Amino acid sequence: AQSVTQLGSHVSVSEGALVLLRCNYSSSVPPYLFWYVQYPNQGLQLLLKYTSAATLVKGINGFEAEFKKSETSFHLTKPSAHMSDAAEYFCAVILITGNQFYFGTGTSLTVIP
Amino acid sequence: NAGVTQTPKFRVLKTGQSMTLLCAQDMNHEYMYWYRQDPGMGLRLIHYSVGEGTTAKGEVPDGYNVSRLKKQNFLLGLESAAPSQTSVYFCASGNRGNYGYTFGSGTRLTVV
Repeated sequence: AQSVTQLGSHVSVSEGALVLLRCNYSSSVPPYLFWYVQYPNQGLQLLLKYTSAATLVKGINGFEAEFKKSETSFHLTKPSAHMSDAAEYFCAVILITGNQFYFGTGTSLTVIP
Repeated sequence: NAGVTQTPKFRVLKTGQSMTLLCAQDMNHEYMYWYRQDPGMGLRLIHYSVGEGTTAKGEVPDGYNVSRLKKQNFLLGLESAAPSQTSVYFCASGNRGNYGYTFGSGTRLTVV
């Protein structure tokens, strides 16, 4: 069975500070991994994905994530937070042979001016 | 290119009423999904389809039915709505091997 754990349901950072959102997964085999962003009253938008190519993945809006197999982690980072980054972020996994996404419970990011 | 369109966007139902949520995609995707989103619980898969005429249960299928009679449409039905089905419902679509699934903007359903 798959599971995704996002540590911290709420994260606050100052504008210009580093953003770090944590995601750990449990899987019997390395899955594909994703980060989605959800702005208020909108659907989910893909930020980036890891599908067994480079372990450091760059996404939109300056975000990136690194797949660490030994730590079963896929943390999302951005060097400098912007006010427009305030949103809900979801980590998700899917097995290479599967067709179902499993989502974490989400992390709400607040950016303080 | 509209992507994934969900109708309606908002709905209020009385307990015991029925309704159907429609998801339409114009990207020729094989896979389609229905999720519900509740505070603190992330997105949970209700049902999904890997092709026209096929459906499968997800994590929380009870109280819902689905149909995929046409490749571009995926319908989610509530036969007898309950307050526990108050939620935001999202549809998504994609293709195997290209996992940047596209999500609709959601349907906010309230059952009173």
